Amino acid sequence: DTEVTQTPKHLVMGMTNKKSLKCEQHMGHRAMYWYKQKAKKPPELMFVYSYEKLSINESVPSRFSPECPNSSLLNLHLHALQPEDSALYLCASSQLNDRVPGELFFGEGSRLTVL
Amino acid sequence: GENVEQHPSTLSVQEGDSAVIKCTYSDSASNYFPWYKQELGKRPQLIIDIRSNVGEKKDQRIAVTLNKTAKHFSLHITETQPEDSAVYFCAASRNNDMRFGAGTRLTVKP
Repeated sequence: DTEVTQTPKHLVMGMTNKKSLKCEQHMGHRAMYWYKQKAKKPPELMFVYSYEKLSINESVPSRFSPECPNSSLLNLHLHALQPEDSALYLCASSQLNDRVPGELFFGEGSRLTVL
Repeated sequence: GENVEQHPSTLSVQEGDSAVIKCTYSDSASNYFPWYKQELGKRPQLIIDIRSNVGEKKDQRIAVTLNKTAKHFSLHITETQPEDSAVYFCAASRNNDMRFGAGTRLTVKP
């Protein structure tokens, strides 16, 4: 299984809603990532989990809250978002090796619209 | 943190011609340089990558070169085909911190 699965594929939410994005992989990868991608822009790193611990937080607003319950799952909890947070949220995973970075395997993304 | 610059932002070539995309990076500790292709509405997909201990790598019509001293790397696509049309992103990674260039929209005209 070389897939990273993201749900939901599409999400529309109001600014007062609480929702979650979910990501799952069964490749044994111990690094998992959240990227945000706006239209016609590159993926922008948000968070990295290494061995289920948050290792990189790119100064993301607290209305985005990541969670890594186990080595296969990654969540992104959303609360009190703004319309400018509308974007494609990509989850990725990779092997973890301090010396040799690994290929990122991306999910199909969750397209979020904040009204 | 790492800063990756990519040029050109758009590139249009005739089918059969070659295409070259160039990137520079700022962090000399970066040691992994992948290239991703993203078609409209799809996820980024790895097309080729190179590690810092290698200067060049080729896979059929695609090749990547790396100059560590100058901190730049390039993607070369030969004999381009219409299905090569997409957005291409370079990236540079240190450990598991991967940053992307701004992207190049390649159009291959039949």
